[in-house]
Order: sequence, then structure tokens, then C-alpha cells
Amino acid sequence: GIQVEQSPPDLILQEGANSTLRCNFSDSVNNLQWFHQNPWGQLINLFYIPSGTKQNGRLSATTVATERYSLLYISSSQTTDSGVYFCAVGYSGTYKYIFGTGTRLKVLA
Amino acid sequence: KAGVTQTPRYLIKTRGQQVTLSCSPISGHRSVSWYQQTPGQGLQFLFEYFSETQRNKGNFPGRFSGRQFSNSRSEMNVSTLELGDSALYLCASSLIPGQSEKLFFGSGTQLSVL
Repeated sequence: GIQVEQSPPDLILQEGANSTLRCNFSDSVNNLQWFHQNPWGQLINLFYIPSGTKQNGRLSATTVATERYSLLYISSSQTTDSGVYFCAVGYSGTYKYIFGTGTRLKVLA
Repeated sequence: KAGVTQTPRYLIKTRGQQVTLSCSPISGHRSVSWYQQTPGQGLQFLFEYFSETQRNKGNFPGRFSGRQFSNSRSEMNVSTLELGDSALYLCASSLIPGQSEKLFFGSGTQLSVL
């Protein structure tokens, strides 16, 4: 089956720093989403981005489907950005997503 | 608009018992899917429902089952609980009955099996 790898596995930043999280997948996919899981376990949808680039405030994401990777950029990080970031990929018609192992981010004040 | 609602939030059971978890999707959302999250295996797909029909099932034993009602609410059931079933069970809903749409997750049910 498809493999989804995220890097780095762990990241510690000072408040105000920028970061790039990467998601590699082993096969062509039709769908890709990024999520943030906060310390209370809630998964928040950040982007639905099967291809191209999107921005939402301090966050932006780029997916290059032909090269099988996606990037999540966090600028001017804040302590509330701490948590685990997951990418999830899927094939149309399967109605399921395969999640990566996540990047655990800690932002220090 | 209310988000995805999962009940109960926490549950403690003993081995051999069965459990039923409930999920109410966002109003108007008709696709509901379930995921299991554990420290060792991460997030794994359990099943997906649309219009009361299960359209896909993950690689889990038959002890895991689910259903969807006509109002799109969904339940999942785990029978003959094992210690390894301890996990956070997450429900997600989406608007469009395909995958070209964002998934919205509930807060989850934390199940502990003793």
C-alpha cells in the first residue's frame, strides 16, 4: 500500500521562527489534506490541497503531486502552533485517507 | 454551526465487554468516517459511511462494526474488547460524498480497556 512519510519527526522552535514540514508519499494520489492535532487531541483541518499552493494567514501549503510531496510552511510561529501536524493522502473512490506519522512541533516562548 | 460531536468523551471498559461509540456529523454532512489513533500505529482508517451504506472498511477484525442512520448520525461498536483496543477513536464528516472535500473531525472518544 501507499507509504506516507513526514519529516522531521520532531521540531523545537523559538516563538517567531519559521519552519517547513514535509510530506512524501509513495504513489500518485488524488487528495491530500494537512491537519493540526492540538494538545487536547482535537484534529483541525488546515488545508485540502491535492495540488498547487494555498495560504491561510501565517500558514501556507504546496503540493507537487507529480513529484509526490507536499510542504507546510509556518511563519512567525506562536506557542499555540504547538502540537502534531499530520498529512493525509487518499485516492478518489476509496473514501479513506492514509495518515503520515506526523511532525511533533513545540514552540517555546 | 455545531461541529462533529462524539460521545462519550472518555470510556473505561474491561476485557471481553463491548462498547458503542456515537458520532453526529456537522449538519448537512452525509459522509462519516471513523479512525483509530494509537501511539504505536498512528491514525488508521476503520470505515466510511454514506447514505447508511458502508463504502469502505479498513483492515480491522470483524469485532469492529459500524452503522449509519438516516439522519447521518453514526455509531461504531467493538465487541469482545481486547487490551489492544485502547485508543482514541475519531469520527470525521465531510459534505460531498466523495473525497474532494475537507474532513472535519470530532474531539474523539478515548477508550481504555483494562
